Amino acid sequence: KNEVEQSPQNLTAQEGEFITINCSYSVGISALHWLQQHPGGGIVSLFMLSSGKKKHGRLIATINIQEKHSSLHITASHPRDSAVYICAVSLYFFSGSARQLTFGSGTQLTVLP
Amino acid sequence: NAGVTQTPKFQVLKTGQSMTLQCAQDMNHEYMSWYRQDPGMGLRLIHYSVGAGITDQGEVPNGYNVSRSTTEDFPLRLLSAAPSQTSVYFCASSYDPGNEQYFGPGTRLTVT
Repeated sequence: KNEVEQSPQNLTAQEGEFITINCSYSVGISALHWLQQHPGGGIVSLFMLSSGKKKHGRLIATINIQEKHSSLHITASHPRDSAVYICAVSLYFFSGSARQLTFGSGTQLTVLP
Repeated sequence: NAGVTQTPKFQVLKTGQSMTLQCAQDMNHEYMSWYRQDPGMGLRLIHYSVGAGITDQGEVPNGYNVSRSTTEDFPLRLLSAAPSQTSVYFCASSYDPGNEQYFGPGTRLTVT
């Protein structure tokens, strides 16, 4: 069973639309990461969160620890937002320290002009 | 700061050849890791290191070796390349897995 599930796998939107990408995980985590991978291949960290909500420009990330679910929202989407968005979680060792990341398979977002 | 650098960007190998993918970071991060990315699959951890002299296996370690002689460098060695190792390889660093991750630009490897 995959520990991190993302949906949808593919998403096509028109410019200006509000976009939501979902991430569910199955075990307790120390942190959840949202990453962006552009067609050129580079991976950039967008958010790291362990509770609540974070906002950066038109991007908003939320997490519900009880439901083991996170969402990434993009407001007023633009063609330059077209990329693969990846959710990753770092799990807890029994000792309480963070374990290495486990990744979802990514959501391919295409925003059409 | 250069961040995380990887060389080469592209590489073609014949089956059975060996090579080393280089990774370096200048942020004094203790945690470094190597991932491979294959179509339709998430990034998968090959090996990781929590500091100089300490390495451990990840999810898919077979066919790969690593060493960490300094905080800055974390090379990945392919011992005897196989077509199944055709992939894009990413190196990453951070203070620990629970903190922001910094990725290198990737190496696209083809094994024929």
